[in-house]
Amino acid sequence: GAVVSQHPSRVICKSGTSVKIECRSLDFQATTMFWYRQFPKQSLMLMATSNEGSKATYEQGVEKDKFLINHASLTLSTLTVTSAHPEDSSFYICSASFGGRGNTEAFFGQGTRLTVV
Amino acid sequence: KQEVTQIPAALSVPEGENLVLNCSFTDSAIYNLQWFRQDPGKGLTSLLLIQSSQREQTSGRLNASLDKSSGRSTLYIAASQPGDSATYLCAVAGAGSYQLTFGKGTKLSVIP
Repeated sequence: GAVVSQHPSRVICKSGTSVKIECRSLDFQATTMFWYRQFPKQSLMLMATSNEGSKATYEQGVEKDKFLINHASLTLSTLTVTSAHPEDSSFYICSASFGGRGNTEAFFGQGTRLTVV
Repeated sequence: KQEVTQIPAALSVPEGENLVLNCSFTDSAIYNLQWFRQDPGKGLTSLLLIQSSQREQTSGRLNASLDKSSGRSTLYIAASQPGDSATYLCAVAGAGSYQLTFGKGTKLSVIP
């Protein structure tokens, strides 16, 4: 299967600072990338969908000014958590697909454990 | 709104047993259904993808079935091994949207 690399795998930051998480498709061009958040013992919740070269589409209830998503190339999307607070501590996972419309398989990164202290 | 339910939430079996994990979804208008494996603190590994026009997919000791009309899928694991211990997630891609809706997962423990 295709490989999606997510970095960093763990990050601890101070409250009020910003953190950037990278998601790269290593061996394919990902026209669409997705960002999810997972709370302990809960399902993955979609935060936003990003298409290369256009603005991300955020799910209801997700603050776009807090969770900045950039998809500048077909192999890289970034999620920046701005002015992080302890309640932002969570497991963030990205996924990438070859194309849109759900007919293609989704490949996931390793996830990033964010702890805000 | 699509809802995905996985039963049971947790399952413990002795090594060598065959087992079935269940997934149900409320809206049958889907593009595809995927089964994933998640190890603690890790990302997701795709196991099987079933397109909406298919009824099953097989990979090694894994077999996934899809009954779209009844909103159900099963993941069959043959001859379970301790290395199969993980959380198994079911996700559906909706026809009207290409986002995935996930179930909460089944945590499997295979006892040596």
